[in-house]
Amino acid sequence: RKEVEQDPGPFNVPEGATVAFNCTYSNSASQSFFWYRQDCRKEPKLLMSVYSSGNEDGRFTAQLNRASQYISLLIRDSKLSDSATYLCVVNTGGYQKVTFGTGTKLQVIP
Amino acid sequence: EAQVTQNPRYLITVTGKKLTVTCSQNMNHEYMSWYRQDPGLGLRQIYYSMNVEVTDKGDVPEGYKVSRKEKRNFPLILESPSPNQTSLYFCASSSYRGSNQPQHFGDGTRLSIL
Repeated sequence: RKEVEQDPGPFNVPEGATVAFNCTYSNSASQSFFWYRQDCRKEPKLLMSVYSSGNEDGRFTAQLNRASQYISLLIRDSKLSDSATYLCVVNTGGYQKVTFGTGTKLQVIP
Repeated sequence: EAQVTQNPRYLITVTGKKLTVTCSQNMNHEYMSWYRQDPGLGLRQIYYSMNVEVTDKGDVPEGYKVSRKEKRNFPLILESPSPNQTSLYFCASSSYRGSNQPQHFGDGTRLSIL
């Protein structure tokens, strides 16, 4: 089983739709979690950290389910500019182990 | 402006010719890391450094070397490059004030080894 797994997609959604991605992780000792966004082979950029109680930033909501070992990202009212690949990142043991998922591609269609 | 700077951005070279990709950050970050990104495999960690003179292997260290003589710099060295090292490389840095600190990435370096 991969340490961090994501559905590669692509997810093709119309503008204004709500879309959700999940990311599962295998190491129960994982300590911190992030969602990054990557545009077409450019550098990954932090979208948001994921906190135990769940957190929201505008149209984006991130949640952590430690019991089932997954994190999720919900995007409401999708914009064309949301089209990108979304990477989940899991830190285990401080920075000794940083694992990226392979990413989920989102395409928002007019 | 806070940033991570990688050079070169693009490089085409030949098998066996030693090369160095430089990485510099101006945020006084303790932690720095190198990744390679390949289609279908995502970002994989090559080496990381927790502070000056402290480096450790990531998931795919074979064929690479690093050094951390100064806090701001973390060069990636390919002593004898081979075609399977053709990839997109990213350097990243982060403050090490607990594990919940995100990483800042450089713009990437596209390496082609012929």
